[in-house]
This record gives sequence, C-alpha cells and structure tokens, in this order.
Amino acid sequence: SQTIHQWPATLVQPVGSPLSLECTVEGTSNPNLYWYRQAAGRGLQLLFYSVGIGQISSEVPQNLSASRPQDRQFILSSKKLLLSDSGFYLCAWSASVTEAFFGQGTRLTVV
Amino acid sequence: RKEVEQDPGPFNVPEGATVAFNCTYSNSASQSFFWYRQDCRKEPKLLMSVYSSGNEDGRFTAQLNRASQYISLLIRDSKLSDSATYLCVVPDTGRRALTFGSGTRLQVQP
Repeated sequence: SQTIHQWPATLVQPVGSPLSLECTVEGTSNPNLYWYRQAAGRGLQLLFYSVGIGQISSEVPQNLSASRPQDRQFILSSKKLLLSDSGFYLCAWSASVTEAFFGQGTRLTVV
Repeated sequence: RKEVEQDPGPFNVPEGATVAFNCTYSNSASQSFFWYRQDCRKEPKLLMSVYSSGNEDGRFTAQLNRASQYISLLIRDSKLSDSATYLCVVPDTGRRALTFGSGTRLQVQP
C-alpha cells in the first residue's frame, strides 16, 4: 500500500533562517506531488506541484522553492524565512488528478 | 468568482440533526469532485468522491448539480465525532492539481 511521510511535524524557526521540509512517498511510481499551505483558520493554498522528476510548477510568488530530486521525494525550501511563512505545510500525492493523500503536515512557526 | 466557494460556517447542530453544506465551483468542465474531512490540526482525509449525480455512504450523501455547478454534502443523524471542517475539492485538470474550498466548519453539540 502507498504511504507518505512528511517531517518534521513541528518546527520553530527564527526570521531569516533557512528551511527544508522533506516528503517521501512509498508504494507508488511517478506520483503527482504537491505542497499546500494552510494559514490558521483558512483553506489550503497550493504552493507547488510536480508531475515528474525535476518538473516543478509554482502557483504563487513567494520566497519558497520546491525540488523533486527523486521520483518519490519532494522538498520545500526557503533561503530566508519571513514571519508570513508561518503555517501548516502539507505534502500530498495523487496518481493523477484524482483524490490526493496527505502527509501528516508540518506546523511551522517563524519567530 | 472563486474557483471553489463554501460557506465557512460554523454550523452548530445538536446530535441527531441533519445538516447540509453546499459548495459552488466555477470550472464547468470539471468531471469529478471530492469531499474531504479535516480534524483540528490534522491533515485532510478523503470522505467521499462524486463522479456522477451523487454518492451515498451510510449517513453521508453527496449530490452534484452540474447545471448550477454546485455540490452538496448531507449528513444525517449527526454524531459528536462528525465535528470537523469539511472541504470541497475540485480537480483542475489544466494544472493537474486539486483546488480546495476554504472549508465549512461543523460543530455537533450534545
């Protein structure tokens, strides 16, 4: 069966520090991969999606970037965090544009 | 018009009540739809898929009205454990991604 791992679960980082969140998927090949962000009390905002290795589509301008170095690995990064980057970051995969399965999320607080 | 719109609620209902949420979408080409449930501080999880006019699973019924471009979720005999946020989801085949509504919060009270 397919599983998705996302870590860390919680992160507190100072403003201006770098960020690296990692997500891996097991049990499937060539998944679509997504990074979403959810601000407190708000809906999910699509940040990045990838349909293959090295293929990244960015949805909103921001100081975040994403990379897909391997088929089942998706990384979210930032060189310098802003206070506004705080939120709940969710990685997800789907076989196509059908239902998506989410990792447990990373709650990021920038202080 | 937003791609996916939902009433944010909260809907406060007593146990045993029937409650319905609506969701409207803008992309008339969308063929499939989903309802996700999200508990507080947790990841969303798939509740129901809707591929034709509707779908029923126990106390939950999802209906699709393509002409009016809305999807509804009906919950009968509400339980305390149904308290959560319900997210309406519409695939965007152009971007190969799912577009989420902002969610409707349900609070079932004893």
